[in-house]
Amino acid sequence: QVHLQESGPGLVKPSETLSLTCTVSGNSIDSGYYWGWIRQPPGKGLEWIGNIYHTGKTYHNPSLKSRVTMSLDTSKNQFSLKLASANVADTAVYYCVTSQWLGLWDSWGQGTLVAVSS
Amino acid sequence: EIVLTQSPATLSLSPGEGVTLSCGASQSVSSNSLAWYQQNPGLAPRLLIFDASSRATGVPDRFSGSGSGTDFTLTISRLEPEDFAVYYCQQYGSSITFGQGTRLEIK
Repeated sequence: QVHLQESGPGLVKPSETLSLTCTVSGNSIDSGYYWGWIRQPPGKGLEWIGNIYHTGKTYHNPSLKSRVTMSLDTSKNQFSLKLASANVADTAVYYCVTSQWLGLWDSWGQGTLVAVSS
Repeated sequence: EIVLTQSPATLSLSPGEGVTLSCGASQSVSSNSLAWYQQNPGLAPRLLIFDASSRATGVPDRFSGSGSGTDFTLTISRLEPEDFAVYYCQQYGSSITFGQGTRLEIK
């Protein structure tokens, strides 16, 4: 069974880049799976950020696309998220997710809270 | 973008009761590409239903999904204590969007 673990700074200053990494165990990130990110502002609902396929092809939420960069690191079995020009509205719990099917998330990390504040 | 509207926002029920949650889409969801997730406090969401009516692995058969086009429902036949949670619908037919959630609380 695949296990996902998010890591990264818990506090980011406004206008800086929010960077997170998801470490994968129990599966190889160059298998035929989609790897992605979903976030949840405190007390609010879920928002899809984007996905990256094992080939490197990416899929983005149109509202965030201009600020999002996703990548794979096969040597470390990790994938990463960078969100540029962070602002207060980006404060959220960030989950890394995976599935064989784009848009269906059957494995989730535990989530990590990132606050954007000066 | 397809907007999903869930109703009601909150439901108060007792264990053993049955319940139906609704999810309406602003336009038809392609190929009934509609999922339901359950989220308990402090935990990550869990996939319950995909393709509108297929149960994910390990999901009890008291959970069932139905619907097509723009109207979808999640039914829980007999509420167990662990079912009191927030439920989200999500469409993946055209990009990916979530509903705002329905909170199921114990009366």
